[in-house]
Amino acid sequence: GAGVSQTPSNKVTEKGKYVELRCDPISGHTALYWYRQSLGQGPEFLIYFQGTGAADDSGLPNDRFFAVRPEGSVSTLKIQRTERGDSAVYLCASSLTDYSPLHFGNGTRLTVT
Amino acid sequence: SQQGEEDPQALSIQEGENATMNCSYKTSINNLQWYRQNSGRGLVHLILIRSNEREKHSGRLRVTLDTSKKSSSLLITASRAADTASYFCATDDSGAGSYQLTFGKGTKLSVIP
Repeated sequence: GAGVSQTPSNKVTEKGKYVELRCDPISGHTALYWYRQSLGQGPEFLIYFQGTGAADDSGLPNDRFFAVRPEGSVSTLKIQRTERGDSAVYLCASSLTDYSPLHFGNGTRLTVT
Repeated sequence: SQQGEEDPQALSIQEGENATMNCSYKTSINNLQWYRQNSGRGLVHLILIRSNEREKHSGRLRVTLDTSKKSSSLLITASRAADTASYFCATDDSGAGSYQLTFGKGTKLSVIP
């Protein structure tokens, strides 16, 4: 079956612009996660959804970052007033239940110029 | 923040040799997982070991866990060129109140044919 799909695969934007990153999880997976990975680092947790609600958004760096999952499936990570420091690979993952292994997408590489 | 710390940061071996990677972490955990990441791709789950387990095997993979030392090791036996990738340990903080995995910085493994 299809894995986790993330679009776009690459996004280049100018400083100050707004971007949206999309994640299509594996069908039937109730848990969805967003992580951010900088070069040479491991993924850093941003936000976790259980169904439609954000169960834990403690990893979002500031209020420019927001994520939604309105129907409990597709999720969108939204970044306002982008800064050069936001440049990274944004990874989405889903899992069947809490405490199940995560299935990752290939990520969206965001470059803020 | 990064909880796990992998050691070494980089490892280069000949095909057929064994590769050992270590991970240390800081908090009490429910389980520890190892993931693999090929360049430009998402992470792939390899193996999960629970906090009450000491050793687990899966194919050519052997994982150990020492909760008293807050450390784990991943052994890949009879390595192949296709094992070339970055390997990350990930832990869930049992006191965190929600399921978020914390990843280390990874070990970059190069297997030379």
